[in-house]
Amino acid sequence: GAVVSQHPSWVICKSGTSVKIECRSLDFQATTMFWYRQFPKQSLMLMATSNEGSKATYEQGVEKDKFLINHASLTLSTLTVTSAHPEDSSFYICSAPGGAHNNSPLHFGNGTRLTVT
Amino acid sequence: DAKTTQPNSMESNEEEPVHLPCNHSTISGTDYIHWYRQLPSQGPEYVIHGLTSNVNNRMASLAIAEDRKSSTLILHRATLRDAAVYYCILRVLSGNTPLVFGKGTRLSVIA
Repeated sequence: GAVVSQHPSWVICKSGTSVKIECRSLDFQATTMFWYRQFPKQSLMLMATSNEGSKATYEQGVEKDKFLINHASLTLSTLTVTSAHPEDSSFYICSAPGGAHNNSPLHFGNGTRLTVT
Repeated sequence: DAKTTQPNSMESNEEEPVHLPCNHSTISGTDYIHWYRQLPSQGPEYVIHGLTSNVNNRMASLAIAEDRKSSTLILHRATLRDAAVYYCILRVLSGNTPLVFGKGTRLSVIA
């Protein structure tokens, strides 16, 4: 079945540094990918919609200059957390639609646990 | 997206059936009912979805009320590996929109 691969699965970085998270669709093409963030004991919150070949669409309250999204190919989207701070520590999850409409399930990566010290 | 309401938590004994309810009284005619689950420290995974008729797959069954204002996810024999947070989500038919997650139901399975 369709698989979304996310890398790294966990990362620890120092405050002020940047971290890049990759999300790949392994056996299908994804013109759109979605990025979520999940804090402990909470549900997933949509951060942004990544569109291949164009700018990402960010949800209200998500800083686009801090969370840089690049979707340069039909199988790869990246999220870069710039100048990370401890409050950015979270579980970041990407997903990609399995088809062209909402009758298709979304496929999720296994998440990236970011810890900023 | 229309709102769904689920119990915060449920408990089941291993190898017993589990019925996870979801209320969606404001569902529109073009909303699909999707279920996803999230195991600890993993991304969500698709379980099942339907529009009007009951649906079965290898993971679960979905029973949809005749008025579509509620649905029930049925796990026929719960295992310890089914312990997860289960999310009931409505998605409009058209477009390719992201899932909007509520709080879901945390299912505990007791050996």
